[in-house]
Amino acid sequence: GENVEQHPSTLSVQEGDSAVIKCTYSDSASNYFPWYKQELGKRPQLIIDIRSNVGEKKDQRIAVTLNKTAKHFSLHITETQPEDSAVYFCAAGYYGNNRLAFGKGNQVVVIP
Amino acid sequence: GAVVSQHPSWVICKSGTSVKIECRSLDFQATTMFWYRQFPKQSLMLMATSNEGSKATYEQGVEKDKFLINHASLTLSTLTVTSAHPEDSSFYICSASPEWAYEQYFGPGTRLTVT
Repeated sequence: GENVEQHPSTLSVQEGDSAVIKCTYSDSASNYFPWYKQELGKRPQLIIDIRSNVGEKKDQRIAVTLNKTAKHFSLHITETQPEDSAVYFCAAGYYGNNRLAFGKGNQVVVIP
Repeated sequence: GAVVSQHPSWVICKSGTSVKIECRSLDFQATTMFWYRQFPKQSLMLMATSNEGSKATYEQGVEKDKFLINHASLTLSTLTVTSAHPEDSSFYICSASPEWAYEQYFGPGTRLTVT
């Protein structure tokens, strides 16, 4: 089955700086890659996703890039704010069964 | 849009009893619903995939007779933890995929404590 690795496990950044989280996946058949943000005690929230026919997608301060050849995808958060502090999960899946494999999560801490 | 609810939000039960958790998609029909388990400061572990009107597909290592899943309609799936034990204490989260999209939307989770 699909195996998703996520690095680093913890990331501390100064407010206003950029944060980058990288994930790698093992199954070349995967073609859907969402990112979820989970604040303490709350549900994971979908913040951005990308499909394999696209190399990059941007939504305001958040962007995701995908390298199918290397089988990795990254989340980029620019101009970080304290409210960006949370755990971020990447996931990989493919059309046909909607099933997602999740990475272990990254704790992002934005220091005011 | 794409709101998923879960009930109850927390439950405490005694060892040996059964607990039912409901997952509802409030403003869309969900062809598929998923049940996850999350331990503190850990990732989401998929337990099973639930499709309306058919048997759930369980992940390897998940006991289907212990974690009963029923997907009775396009807006409701239930997870019943049977003969609960303290090691079943965890945070259980469901998610749902709309018929018209591929994304998964998560419920708020249910904190189960077995004493």
